[in-house]
Amino acid sequence: EPEVTQTPSHQVTQMGQEVILRCVPISNHLYFYWYRQILGQKVEFLVSFYNNEISEKSEIFDDQFSVERPDGSNFTLKIRSTKLEDSAMYFCASSGPRANYGYTFGSGTRLTVV
Amino acid sequence: AQSVTQLGSHVSVSEGALVLLRCNYSSSVPPYLFWYVQYPNQGLQLLLKYTSAATLVKGINGFEAEFKKSETSFHLTKPSAHMSDAAEYFCAVDLFNDYKLSFGAGTTVTVRA
Repeated sequence: EPEVTQTPSHQVTQMGQEVILRCVPISNHLYFYWYRQILGQKVEFLVSFYNNEISEKSEIFDDQFSVERPDGSNFTLKIRSTKLEDSAMYFCASSGPRANYGYTFGSGTRLTVV
Repeated sequence: AQSVTQLGSHVSVSEGALVLLRCNYSSSVPPYLFWYVQYPNQGLQLLLKYTSAATLVKGINGFEAEFKKSETSFHLTKPSAHMSDAAEYFCAVDLFNDYKLSFGAGTTVTVRA
């Protein structure tokens, strides 16, 4: 069964440093997403990406965040200057035409900012 | 406004007992609805989804959910709980023309021996 692959599985970074979280979505999917889950809390939408541009972003997705699909297969989330409160599990997801394919999530990257 | 509400943040059941997790949505147009399960320190696994076909949806691990438009609900059930069902369960909606998932707050299920 096709999978969404995320790397790394766990990253520890110093406050103020830049981090890049990487995702390889399912190859024939069209929509790509990043979600965040702070420990013990709900899963929150960050951003959606379609046709090589951001289609929607939440209020969490401020100027320190950016996304990119640099080579047609990878989908990255960059956090420019990390804060302690950015510590969370970050999930990448992809979907095909609406819910016909559903949303497939990766196993997540646990980001710890120290 | 919350588009999806899960009633009960924590449910405790005995092994072999019925599991019932409640989910209600807020939308004038029936959305697509999903249940995901998250085991400790793991990702989100799709249990089942409703995409306007049959209102009773069967998923993996013996779970099923029924879409009731009149009650704007999509409750998840399993007739007989197993110890391996202990996890966090999330209901999620894909509202019409929204093109993303919005998650409920989650329900933690513990199973007593």
